[in-house]
Amino acid sequence: QVQLQQSGPGLVKPSQTLTLTCAISGDSVSSNSAAWNWIRQSPSRGLEWLGRTYYRSKWYNDYALSVKNRITINPDTSKNQFSLQLNSVSPEDTAVYYCARDLDTATFDYWGQGTLVTVSS
Amino acid sequence: QSALTQPASVSGSPGQSITISCTGTSSDIGGYTYVSWYQQHPGNSPKLIIYDVRKRPSGVSNRFSGSKSGNAASLTVSGLQAEDEAYYYCSSYTSSSTFVVFGGGTKLTVL
Repeated sequence: QVQLQQSGPGLVKPSQTLTLTCAISGDSVSSNSAAWNWIRQSPSRGLEWLGRTYYRSKWYNDYALSVKNRITINPDTSKNQFSLQLNSVSPEDTAVYYCARDLDTATFDYWGQGTLVTVSS
Repeated sequence: QSALTQPASVSGSPGQSITISCTGTSSDIGGYTYVSWYQQHPGNSPKLIIYDVRKRPSGVSNRFSGSKSGNAASLTVSGLQAEDEAYYYCSSYTSSSTFVVFGGGTKLTVL
């Protein structure tokens, strides 16, 4: 059974960097068949895919155009986890952030518990 | 504004059936069989209930079924139960750089 455990702060100041981590159990961040995603949910934007990292003989990243200039998703093979960094945040980035696994078909079969991140001074 | 269009709300009485629609374009729903549906109870993470248009993950009730025609997909919940009251979201793989698009969500109320 795959489990995803998220961690990170719930409050970030405007212009600073949002950082969240998702620890994986029951699968590997280096899996050749899975991809590891970050998705956020807010009342104004609904569910919004942010990006993913995956390993297919080498590491790849895909990012949503809406955050492409501000986002980094990194795998950490030593801890079997992956992280999200979102730079230069504004109140519009306030949302519940989820990590999720997909099997290369945009089907998210396992989700983290969600982290409410508020951007406020 | 979400890329896929869903009704804001639907309702039904226990035992009845309801259908939730999800409308996209030929770049997403119409072009691929990677349509998924998620159930989300307040305060919880989304739960996958339908994938690849009509497949159910292990453990999901067969009261949930999915279909697709052209650029639109549908989720049918039969034999409504109180526990089905939740938000339902559709999603689809897309050929755009967005990778995946979601619907705005539909609140199902069991009367």
